[in-house]
Amino acid sequence: AQTVTQSQPEMSVQEAETVTLSCTYDTSESDYYLFWYKQPPSRQMILVIRQEAYKQQNATENRFSVNFQKAAKSFSLKISDSQLGDAAMYFCAYRSANGGSQGNLIFGKGTKLSVKP
Amino acid sequence: ETGVTQTPRHLVMGMTNKKSLKCEQHLGHNAMYWYKQSAKKPLELMFVYNFKEQTENNSVPSRFSPECPNSSHLFLHLHTLQPEDSALYLCASSPKWGDAYEQYFGPGTRLTVT
Repeated sequence: AQTVTQSQPEMSVQEAETVTLSCTYDTSESDYYLFWYKQPPSRQMILVIRQEAYKQQNATENRFSVNFQKAAKSFSLKISDSQLGDAAMYFCAYRSANGGSQGNLIFGKGTKLSVKP
Repeated sequence: ETGVTQTPRHLVMGMTNKKSLKCEQHLGHNAMYWYKQSAKKPLELMFVYNFKEQTENNSVPSRFSPECPNSSHLFLHLHTLQPEDSALYLCASSPKWGDAYEQYFGPGTRLTVT
């Protein structure tokens, strides 16, 4: 079974600085999707960024980018120019490219990011 | 506003009570999900409905009973819960079950069982 590991329960960053959140996963599949979700305090969980495993190019969404290392099964999230609104729980998630039950999302335990003014 | 709403936002109930959580999505999606979020644990998928049919039940105790009357509404009926059931219960939806794209989450119901 696939697993997702986020080894940093908490992280802290100074406003305007850059921070990297780590995620590793275990799978025997070659085709899958990886996600970073953000859950601000008392607010909805929203998708930050998505990566298709068959794409070699790292996904980027404005200040958010990933470092996808398929061979190492690593999927880290880099937040540049951190803002106070980036403070949240960040969840890494895996999804098989297969449908049905295999297509359910598998989440890590999350990393709580604090942003210092 | 993500288009997925949940009520109530907070619920305190005794172990002998019966209550229901409600989820509604305004996105035209066909799949809906219930997750349990506990501190320091990964999100646990509880139930999945696809086109109103239950497709997943991840060994959830029978004191949790889901209901999906149509593709826009999802309920979680609760009865004789235990204190360890206290958690944040999240509802989510997606265009269809197991598709490649994101799930849209509601704000959750914070449940406390006393």
